Amino acid sequence: DIQMTQSPSSLSASVGDRVTITCRASQRIASYLNWYQQKPGKAPKVLIYDASNLQSGVPSRFSGSGSGADFTLTISSLQPEDFATYYCQQSYSTPLSFGGGTKVEIK
Amino acid sequence: EVQVVESGGGLIQPGRSLRLSCTASGFTLDEYAVTWVRQAPGMGLEWVGYIRGKTFGGTTDYAASVKGRFSISRDDSKTIVYLQMNSLKTEDTAVYFCARGGGWFDPWGHGTLVTVSS
Repeated sequence: DIQMTQSPSSLSASVGDRVTITCRASQRIASYLNWYQQKPGKAPKVLIYDASNLQSGVPSRFSGSGSGADFTLTISSLQPEDFATYYCQQSYSTPLSFGGGTKVEIK
Repeated sequence: EVQVVESGGGLIQPGRSLRLSCTASGFTLDEYAVTWVRQAPGMGLEWVGYIRGKTFGGTTDYAASVKGRFSISRDDSKTIVYLQMNSLKTEDTAVYFCARGGGWFDPWGHGTLVTVSS
């Protein structure tokens, strides 16, 4: 089974900051890596699929990069509505798996 | 509008069974896989399993934690995917989400809470 490790588990940042979240897979997964945003009491929402493809309707301040085992989600300029928990998820092989999440809080 | 909506959650005793439904609208259900993901209170996301689309034979795959107890089926004529949960345990307590897709998931439903407790 593929384990997904996110870092950091939480971070504090200010509006306008550049934020980077990393995700590491326990084995190489090509570009089969997706990113989700979840706000309290709400369902997750896909931001990035296949490592670097921005889902329709998602602001361009979100970007994803990486391949193989190491991946990054970047928010270029943090906005008030971006305070949430972010999850990576591998779709390379079953059982599919999520990272533990990164909570982005207001500094 | 493409959407999925879960229903069927509630309070259930350990060892009992419960069936959740995921009703799809705005797209042709049989062309897509449908995935179930759960989230225990205050915890992260856990993949439960999925059912593939008609092109891929409608086959299923499950997480080890539910294999042999949970099963997923679909009724494309009713545009519903079911999650049958048997021999429920207290550790199955979670919000259960369904989502379109078998690789990346979009959209997700709002979730339905299943509480397993005596």
